[in-house]
Amino acid sequence: SQKIEQNSEALNIQEGKTATLTCNYTNYSPAYLQWYRQDPGRGPVFLLLIRENEKEKRKERLKVTFDTTLKQSLFHITASQPADSATYLCALPEGHGGSQGNLIFGKGTKLSVKP
Amino acid sequence: KAGVTQTPRYLIKTRGQQVTLSCSPISGHRSVSWYQQTPGQGLQFLFEYFSETQRNKGNFPGRFSGRQFSNSRSEMNVSTLELGDSALYLCASSSTRDRGDSPLHFGNGTRLTVT
Repeated sequence: SQKIEQNSEALNIQEGKTATLTCNYTNYSPAYLQWYRQDPGRGPVFLLLIRENEKEKRKERLKVTFDTTLKQSLFHITASQPADSATYLCALPEGHGGSQGNLIFGKGTKLSVKP
Repeated sequence: KAGVTQTPRYLIKTRGQQVTLSCSPISGHRSVSWYQQTPGQGLQFLFEYFSETQRNKGNFPGRFSGRQFSNSRSEMNVSTLELGDSALYLCASSSTRDRGDSPLHFGNGTRLTVT
């Protein structure tokens, strides 16, 4: 079955630097991959989606890449700010082109941006 | 537009009891998914409902059940509670199942503590 690994439980960086978070999957390439942000005591909030035929997606200071050869997605936050401190989750469908309901999540990377 | 609403926010129950959690999706959203989140396991998929039908089910025992009403509101029930059921239960809605990559919109969850 598909497994997701977010390689760092925690990442500490200085304000203004670029944060890079990694998401690896173990089995077949998903049709798409999503990234969410979760703050303590709150539900995850959708940030970005990237499809298997897209190499890169950007939204403001956020950038996501998808490398099906490496079975990996990278999530970048440029010019990071303390307000970016949160846990970031990657998610993908359990089967290729699988239904939304079978979205599986990584355990997340907790990002701390120090002023 | 109001977001996903989950009630109650906090719940304390005793082992052996049962509990019902409620979720009101975003207006117009017909798909509702439930997830269990624990520090050790992360987000784990419970089940998904669409138009009152369970479309997908995760790998949880039969003590976990759910339903969806004609207005898309959903409930999940856990019977014979165990200590290990202590978790944050998250409900998420999405706008359509035609495009499986629709983002999930999460509520802020129900924090269940079993003593």
